[in-house]
Amino acid sequence: DAGVIQSPRHEVTEMGQEVTLRCKPISGHDYLFWYRQTMMRGLELLIYFNNNVPIDDSGMPEDRFSAKMPNASFSTLKIQPSEPRDSAVYFCASSQGQGSYEQYFGPGTRLTVT
Amino acid sequence: RKEVEQDPGPFNVPEGATVAFNCTYSNSASQSFFWYRQDCRKEPKLLMSVYSSGNEDGRFTAQLNRASQYISLLIRDSKLSDSATYLCVVAWGTLTFGKGTMLLVSP
Repeated sequence: DAGVIQSPRHEVTEMGQEVTLRCKPISGHDYLFWYRQTMMRGLELLIYFNNNVPIDDSGMPEDRFSAKMPNASFSTLKIQPSEPRDSAVYFCASSQGQGSYEQYFGPGTRLTVT
Repeated sequence: RKEVEQDPGPFNVPEGATVAFNCTYSNSASQSFFWYRQDCRKEPKLLMSVYSSGNEDGRFTAQLNRASQYISLLIRDSKLSDSATYLCVVAWGTLTFGKGTMLLVSP
């Protein structure tokens, strides 16, 4: 298996632009997680899905952030409009089965908003 | 109060040294505990789970003290390849990550 796939790996954009991050989980995994990592705050859970359904989005910082999972093999995290404070590494992770805490992370998207 | 606290380090040790990391957590209802490893500019990866009885995986030993809400990781005979950031992770529904402790092993 190729593991969790994320694209793009790097994104540089100007403040106010829309940013879309993409994730393909490991086939057969029914949980998908979006995290954000910064030096100041560490790794924070933004939202997670179970069987394509959003379960907890309490970590989404504000209405500028939205996430979707239209099918079992694809998810997006969108920021509109982007702000410099959104600059971070965004990781997608997936896991299998209820109670499984071993999460497999993608390589991350390094976002810079100028 | 931070949910999972770790000394950020860095811990600078020579090859062959023994090094220990500690972590405290605030949620007494936490169910499961883990150490993840994150190499520079890479994604986190599961290193090992932590059990109440303590567990060992080669040169790595993890301990959990539920009464004190304290988790530890001991690395014996450090290798250059052990250089990374070690994330303490606590689970209660979802995973809560500490900010990590950086380890630098030098020749």
